[in-house]
Amino acid sequence: AQSVTQLGSHVSVSEGALVLLRCNYSSSVPPYLFWYVQYPNQGLQLLLKYTTGATLVKGINGFEAEFKKSETSFHLTKPSAHMSDAAEYFCAVSDPGNTPLVFGKGTRLSVIA
Amino acid sequence: DAGVTQSPTHLIKTRGQQVTLRCSPKSGHDTVSWYQQALGQGPQFIFQYYEEEERQRGNFPDRFSGHQFPNYSSELNVNALLLGDSALYLCASSSHAGAFNSPLHFGNGTRLTVT
Repeated sequence: AQSVTQLGSHVSVSEGALVLLRCNYSSSVPPYLFWYVQYPNQGLQLLLKYTTGATLVKGINGFEAEFKKSETSFHLTKPSAHMSDAAEYFCAVSDPGNTPLVFGKGTRLSVIA
Repeated sequence: DAGVTQSPTHLIKTRGQQVTLRCSPKSGHDTVSWYQQALGQGPQFIFQYYEEEERQRGNFPDRFSGHQFPNYSSELNVNALLLGDSALYLCASSSHAGAFNSPLHFGNGTRLTVT
């Protein structure tokens, strides 16, 4: 079964610093990959997705992620953190063939002024 | 354009009771999925409804059941509540029939507490 590992349950960065949130998946077949963000007391909002094509995907709020098949990774980055980026981030995958999304356990991002 | 709406926002129930949670999908969406998010965990897939039928189901017991109405809205029912059912229940809608690679739009969830 597909699984998702997010390394680091909590990441803390200074305002203006690089944000790097790690995600690895287990499938041997390139899956569909997603990053979602969850603000307190809210549902999940799609940041970006990879299905096919260009491996570097740009999303909302300045975030981007790169699909690396050889490393089975889909890490999320943002060059300069903003206070408003503080939230919980979830990586999710689904295998081609209409399988449900499998989410990682999430990484809580804190941004320090 | 209304997004996904869920009701109620919070609910407190006693062990053994039954609960019904409701969801209205985003306008133009015809597929509804339900997820359970326990504290400190990622969402876990419960089931998906399309054309008023359960299309896929995750690893949840039969105590969890659902329904989709002709207007695409949906209900999640949980019988014989256990303490472990305490969680945030998220409804997500999408516009492609049964296609999980189409982005999910989530509601803000219903926080269920079982005492």
